[in-house]
Amino acid sequence: NAGVTQTPKFQVLKTGQSMTLQCAQDMNHEYMSWYRQDPGMGLRLIHYSVGAGITDQGEVPNGYNVSRSTTEDFPLRLLSAAPSQTSVYFCASSYGREAFFGQGTRLTVV
Amino acid sequence: DAKTTQPTSMDCAEGRAANLPCNHSTISGNEYVYWYRQIHSQGPQYIIHGLKNNETNEMASLIITEDRKSSTLILPHATLRDTAVYYCIVRVAGGVRDDKIIFGKGTRLHILP
Repeated sequence: NAGVTQTPKFQVLKTGQSMTLQCAQDMNHEYMSWYRQDPGMGLRLIHYSVGAGITDQGEVPNGYNVSRSTTEDFPLRLLSAAPSQTSVYFCASSYGREAFFGQGTRLTVV
Repeated sequence: DAKTTQPTSMDCAEGRAANLPCNHSTISGNEYVYWYRQIHSQGPQYIIHGLKNNETNEMASLIITEDRKSSTLILPHATLRDTAVYYCIVRVAGGVRDDKIIFGKGTRLHILP
């Protein structure tokens, strides 16, 4: 039981490049979500999903896409990276009680 | 927007009880109060949650006022490892469809040796 696994842990992108942050959970949780955390700030919700095939926007969705084809996986796509997307990204999953968070992906866009 | 208000920072002496307040005056009847903490740059960690009764687990106690408009998280014997940012969250949860989790700015708790 690995919990919530995020890959990669670190990534440097050039402005305009695209990439996908991976998130996988093995707890059969319906709810999954993505957050970003900027220095000295709290976590801001980007997108979330309440089950396979269902996604919705959070507080700061612009510049990010998500899909949920399986219960286990919830990838976050950056279509054209911008320096403003430099941040630490956290994925979370939950069912009915506590949420479990991954260890984060530290993304730098230069 | 977050539905909770917390002090920006607090200090507590090691070994003493740390009492972290949270105001959630607009809480709905089906919303739970959750507490999470984030140590340094790790992913947030669940601490405790409750609906209207006081709750206790191995980590902390949660005291919710009778009108449910505020709550207090109590760490009974704070240690240096409890230094973290503590987030109070209200959320509808339980059942097939969980509600989204919105974080506020949290309280930065410093445990002083």
